[in-house]
Amino acid sequence: KNEVEQSPQNLTAQEGEFITINCSYSVGISALHWLQQHPGGGIVSLFMLSSGKKKHGRLIATINIQEKHSSLHITASHPRDSAVYICAVTDEKLTFGTGTRLTIIP
Amino acid sequence: DAGITQSPRHKVTETGTPVTLRCHQTENHRYMYWYRQDPGHGLRLIHYSYGVKDTDKGEVSDGYSVSRSKTEDFLLTLESATSSQTSVYFCAISALHPNAEQFFGPGTRLTVL
Repeated sequence: KNEVEQSPQNLTAQEGEFITINCSYSVGISALHWLQQHPGGGIVSLFMLSSGKKKHGRLIATINIQEKHSSLHITASHPRDSAVYICAVTDEKLTFGTGTRLTIIP
Repeated sequence: DAGITQSPRHKVTETGTPVTLRCHQTENHRYMYWYRQDPGHGLRLIHYSYGVKDTDKGEVSDGYSVSRSKTEDFLLTLESATSSQTSVYFCAISALHPNAEQFFGPGTRLTVL
């Protein structure tokens, strides 16, 4: 069973700061997902990646397959980025991390 | 947004009663999933379906059963609810498995007293 660890568990930053959230896993995977859970509870898929880097607006996701590690970066953070960010990995099914709670202060 | 709804959105019930949660999709996706989310745990898979009448267990399936008689509907049943099943339940859908984006429903908050 894959073990998925996220760090930090909680992160508070000032508006405009560059944010990095990390995810590591224990067993080889075929893909990694980053999800965002809004304060109201809804879950949205941000990225799915199996190698390299993907960018969408101010969000960037990277993955290093050899090191079993992924990072999610947010540039020019904004209070509306406040959410829980969840990493999940795919072998036969999705295994989820416990999430990183991000709070951006104006 | 993917067309996926869950009903009810909130439910309070008593220990020992049966409960059925419904997930409905309008995307015609083949794969459907039921997860539960609890503090201190990541989302955990209860059951999933890979087609009409085709289902399989996830990691926390004890005490739950599922049915899928139509592509668009996936039902989760707690035959006799227990307090340990108090949780937020999410349904998800995807077109492929397992390496595909999953789209999540809004969640159902279930409280078992």
